[in-house]
Amino acid sequence: GAGVSQSPSNKVTEKGKDVELRCDPISGHTALYWYRQSLGQGLEFLIYFQGNSAPDKSGLPSDRFSAERTGGSVSTLTIQRTQQEDSAVYLCASSLFRQEPYNEQFFGPGTRLTVL
Amino acid sequence: KQEVTQIPAALSVPEGENLVLNCSFTDSAIYNLQWFRQDPGKGLTSLLLIQSSQREQTSGRLNASLDKSSGRSTLYIAASQPGDSATYLCAAYGQNFVFGPGTRLSVLP
Repeated sequence: GAGVSQSPSNKVTEKGKDVELRCDPISGHTALYWYRQSLGQGLEFLIYFQGNSAPDKSGLPSDRFSAERTGGSVSTLTIQRTQQEDSAVYLCASSLFRQEPYNEQFFGPGTRLTVL
Repeated sequence: KQEVTQIPAALSVPEGENLVLNCSFTDSAIYNLQWFRQDPGKGLTSLLLIQSSQREQTSGRLNASLDKSSGRSTLYIAASQPGDSATYLCAAYGQNFVFGPGTRLSVLP
């Protein structure tokens, strides 16, 4: 079946603008995760959704970052008033559930965000 | 707070060698440990997942082991090939998914 998809694949924006990044998880997967990979920083967790539960937002770096997941499927990560340090690859992943043995995460190709 | 480290940071080997990549984590309260491969400019490809109740997993030329008590996992690659050249990341899944910094592998023909 189809894997995790993300759009756009590349986004160039000007400092101060808002951007929206989209993630389509694998159909039927209840858990959805956002990460970002900055140059020289490695991968860091941002936010996690599990079904209809309140999301775990503990990884969001500032209040300019927010995410929602509509209908338990598609998720949108929004970055307001973008800064140059927001430039990174934003990765989305999904898993069937969080619990063993259904918690293998499958990653999308990422969105490369460049803030000028 | 979980911390994940990987040794070595980079590795260059001739084709055909067997090699071991190391991953260490500080908090043993994990659901699973997953190994990924990342090619330049690309996303992550899952290689092996070891659940917390398991000790090892094998897929083709890859074997990964998990020792929760010592906070260590190893990825063994047999008979390495140039196509194995990539960055290998381990990630410990506990409270959150914490990635190591990766090992950059180059297999020379």
